[in-house]
Amino acid sequence: GNSVTQMEGPVTLSEEAFLTINCTYTATGYPSLFWYVQYPGEGLQLLLKATKADDKGSNKGFEATYRKETTSFHLEKGSVQVSDSAVYFCALRLTGGGNKLTFGTGTQLKVEL
Amino acid sequence: KAGVTQTPRYLIKTRGQQVTLSCSPISGHRSVSWYQQTPGQGLQFLFEYFSETQRNKGNFPGRFSGRQFSNSRSEMNVSTLELGDSALYLCASSSAAVTLNTEAFFGQGTRLTVV
Repeated sequence: GNSVTQMEGPVTLSEEAFLTINCTYTATGYPSLFWYVQYPGEGLQLLLKATKADDKGSNKGFEATYRKETTSFHLEKGSVQVSDSAVYFCALRLTGGGNKLTFGTGTQLKVEL
Repeated sequence: KAGVTQTPRYLIKTRGQQVTLSCSPISGHRSVSWYQQTPGQGLQFLFEYFSETQRNKGNFPGRFSGRQFSNSRSEMNVSTLELGDSALYLCASSSAAVTLNTEAFFGQGTRLTVV
């Protein structure tokens, strides 16, 4: 079946540290890939996306590259801020699967001063 | 333009009761999807409605149902509530055409507590 695996959290970093959150996927087709962020008490916000191999999605200093050969979509940021503290979800959507998203379990990020 | 609106934000129900949650999508969006979020199971897809028809369904028991109206507003219903139904229920709105670049916009969710 289709699935997304994310690294377990929580991840605790100091402000200005480098962030990597690993995400790998299994899909029967050729998916689009997404990173969503959830702040406390809120719904999900789309952070970035990539729709084909070698595409790089980027937004607010975050980046992720669609790697078909390793079935990965790792999230990175060069310098995190306290305001980046949130839960991050990797997700896939299959072509022909309507708007159904399959999510990873989420990774909580805590950034400290 | 206005985002996705879910009502109510919080609900407390008793085991055995039923509940109805509402979702108003972004104007012009005709696809509405529902997800259940729990600490143990994470985000699980419930179903998707498009033009008043269920287009996709997840692996939930028949106690979970939904519908969509002609104005694209959607409701989901859970009958015979169980303690395990306590969760954050999220609604996502998308435009009609599912292309590679189609995005899902989420509401703030309805927090259901079953006691």
